[in-house]
Amino acid sequence: GAGVSQSPSNKVTEKGKDVELRCDPISGHTALYWYRQRLGQGLEFLIYFQGNSAPDKSGLPSDRFSAERTGESVSTLTIQRTQQEDSAVYLCAGGGFRWADTQYFGPGTRLTVL
Amino acid sequence: AQSVTQLDSHVSVSEGTPVLLRCNYSSSYSPSLFWYVQHPNKGLQLLLKYTSAATLVKGINGFEAEFKKSETSFHLTKPSAHMSDAAEYFCVVSNTGKLIFGQGTTLQVKP
Repeated sequence: GAGVSQSPSNKVTEKGKDVELRCDPISGHTALYWYRQRLGQGLEFLIYFQGNSAPDKSGLPSDRFSAERTGESVSTLTIQRTQQEDSAVYLCAGGGFRWADTQYFGPGTRLTVL
Repeated sequence: AQSVTQLDSHVSVSEGTPVLLRCNYSSSYSPSLFWYVQHPNKGLQLLLKYTSAATLVKGINGFEAEFKKSETSFHLTKPSAHMSDAAEYFCVVSNTGKLIFGQGTTLQVKP
């Protein structure tokens, strides 16, 4: 496809369950970012992958959150033992190898924890 | 540490009148600055970005922004608002790759 895709588009889960969110970046984008957008707020940085370098995990809010990326392709964000405060839209973005490069955002996954 | 402050959470203008969305930034290093727009039920779209070239940056849909280092500002302007400009606008700073977003400004355009 031409853009960043994310799946699922919506996810409703019960408190305490684990969820896995997927991001398919644009081919050739070496950088991949995950952000979280809570209702009525701006985006919060979660984690950043750049090529084969060690990821920048400085934005992950707790050890319940983790993410993986295989090479320069698909990434998955996993939230274990979900809590109601995890409810948000989770956005993935891809970009080039320079930090000033434009980031291209996917449509997001809306997570609702009941 | 880097941060951005969007000075108005909500701006309302009439169609055809100028738009001004205000943003101040804080950065220890020479920053890259961006404005993104988010229309309802749509993804984030880049309007424009500043990366230490010309201080007046022109973007899509007639928007522009001026980088003023002395004022640490990067305000977004448009001479004449259209109904289609109604959306959420985010001022963003980056100097390490990850983007730091402001809280957003909701732009309402009245007919």
